[in-house]
Parts: sequence; structure tokens; C-alpha cells
Amino acid sequence: QVQLLQSGAEVKKPGASMRVSCSPSGYSFTANYIHWVRQAPGQGLEWLGWIDPKSGGTKDARKFRGRVSLTRDTSVTTVYLELNSLRSDDTAVYFCAREDAEYGFHFDYWGQGTLVTV
Amino acid sequence: EIVLTQSPGTLSLSPGERATLSCRASLTVTSSFLSWFQQRPGQAPRLLIFGASSRATGIPDRFSGSGSGTDFTLTISRLEPEDFGVYFCQHYGSPLTFGGGTKVEI
Repeated sequence: QVQLLQSGAEVKKPGASMRVSCSPSGYSFTANYIHWVRQAPGQGLEWLGWIDPKSGGTKDARKFRGRVSLTRDTSVTTVYLELNSLRSDDTAVYFCAREDAEYGFHFDYWGQGTLVTV
Repeated sequence: EIVLTQSPGTLSLSPGERATLSCRASLTVTSSFLSWFQQRPGQAPRLLIFGASSRATGIPDRFSGSGSGTDFTLTISRLEPEDFGVYFCQHYGSPLTFGGGTKVEI
């Protein structure tokens, strides 16, 4: 079965960097784009960007440009989200989500979420 | 950027009742790009509907999606206890955006 396993919770100081990992399993790693979405406490959902695990190509939301880095390591079938220059309003649960490759344009599986506290 | 406005903010209903949730886009969107998710406390979102009206795998048929253009609706025909939570609509655009959510509570 498809699963996206994320790394554990982190506590960071303002100005520091965070890195969250997402390790999909149960399907071909390179077949589906992976997106990152975050949710501040008690708030809605905010999209950060996507990565194509096959090519390494990425697209990020303009709001985070220059602060976000999306990478992947095919040898360990893992994708990574890095966010720099952390501020208190970056405190959120960060989710990775798989884009459906058959129909596209929606997320069919999500990771369990990683709480990052700044 | 497409802004999605969901209403109502909170829907207070009883099990067995019908729930009608609205998602309005700031501009006309392609139906293929409109999805609905359910989120229970402490959990990741779960895909319910994609392409505005297609149920995701394993989703009961009491959930249905409809709409086009700027107005989309998620209907839960008969609420079950496990249906209470927050519902989000999403538009796969550039950038990808989410509505603010509708809380369905008992």
C-alpha cells in the first residue's frame, strides 16, 4: 500500500533552517510528483511547492522563493523540504503529498505531517 | 492567483442530516483542477473528490461533488459520526490554493 513517511518533529530557533524528509513507499518513486503543504496551528492549508522525483525539477510558491529548497535522493527514495531563515510564523505542521499520476491535479496520498516549532 | 472562499465557516448538524458545503472561486476555474478534502483533528487531509465530481477510491457514495465555473458544492447526503471534521476545497493552479475550510460539527 502507498505510504509517505515523514521525519519527526523539530524545534528551531529564529533564523535557523529546517529540513523535513518524506519517504514514499508502495509505488515507483519516480512516477509521481511530490508536493509540500503546511498548516499553521488552527489554520488552513498553504502550498509550498512540488518536486518531480524523476528529473529533480521543482516549482515553488512565490511567497517562499529564495527561502525554500526542494530536493530528492533517488538512492534512498526520499524527498526533502528545506526552509531557511525561519521565523515564528513558520511554526506549522508540514505535509508531503503525492500527486495522482493518472488523472493529475490532485493529491491522492499524504504523509502523516511533521510539526516544526520555531 | 485563484482565491477560494468556502461557506459556511461552521455547519452544525446531526447524524443523518444532509450537509451542503460551498466553495466559490474568484475566477472561472477548470473543473478538472478542483478537489475536496476531509481533515479530522490531528490527521492529514484525506482526498474525497477530484475533478469536481469524481469520488476518490474508497469514499462512500454519500459524498458527492458538483459545480462548474466559479461555484462548487460538496454534499454529504446523510451524515455519519465519522464525517465530522473540517473540509477544504483546493484548486490546482499556479499557485495551488486552498479554501479556508468549513467545519462540520455535531
